[in-house]
Amino acid sequence: KAGVTQTPRYLIKTRGQQVTLSCSPISGHRSVSWYQQTPGQGLQFLFEYFSETQRNKGNFPGRFSGRQFSNSRSEMNVSTLELGDSALYLCASSLKGPSYEQYFGPGTRLTVT
Amino acid sequence: GESVGLHLPTLSVQEGDNSIINCAYSNSASDYFIWYKQESGKGPQFIIDIRSNMDKRQGQRVTVLLNKTVKHLSLQIAATQPGDSAVYFCAENIGSYKLIFGSGTRLLVRP
Repeated sequence: KAGVTQTPRYLIKTRGQQVTLSCSPISGHRSVSWYQQTPGQGLQFLFEYFSETQRNKGNFPGRFSGRQFSNSRSEMNVSTLELGDSALYLCASSLKGPSYEQYFGPGTRLTVT
Repeated sequence: GESVGLHLPTLSVQEGDNSIINCAYSNSASDYFIWYKQESGKGPQFIIDIRSNMDKRQGQRVTVLLNKTVKHLSLQIAATQPGDSAVYFCAENIGSYKLIFGSGTRLLVRP
């Protein structure tokens, strides 16, 4: 069974731009979660989707948004990029949600200059 | 965003020895716990999980212990190998559709 895939793997953007990251979960998994990982703040929860519905959202500004499609694939968008948004963005999928085995993708490394 | 810690403690062990990585979790209502391993340049890799109705769970070369009284979780790795060198994270779920991660522990295996 293929693992969680994320595209693109690396991205360089300029302050003020926007970016869209994509995540394809493991086949059959309906829950997708997004996390931001930085050296200073560790792994921080962004949001979780299940069957196209956002069930929880972390403490991030409204510039961070996401969505899930009917095939469980998910995208997250960051608008008006700031230097502090530079991070590794990780997507994880599970059958029913974060209280079940959750598997991570390799991440998208975003650099904002 | 939620802060889960700024410092990364390091555990250095000799190859072949057993490793014990500890984690203090924050919420007594947490009902599910997971250990992840993250190697440089990769996403976290699922190791083992445990639910709050259990005290111990064993996998291949790994054992997770849960002490709910003191809100403590530990990961034991038997016969540690060089390939075990990585950062290890514990995470807890409090039934709110999100995982809260600890700050991580770096495991270094000396040859």
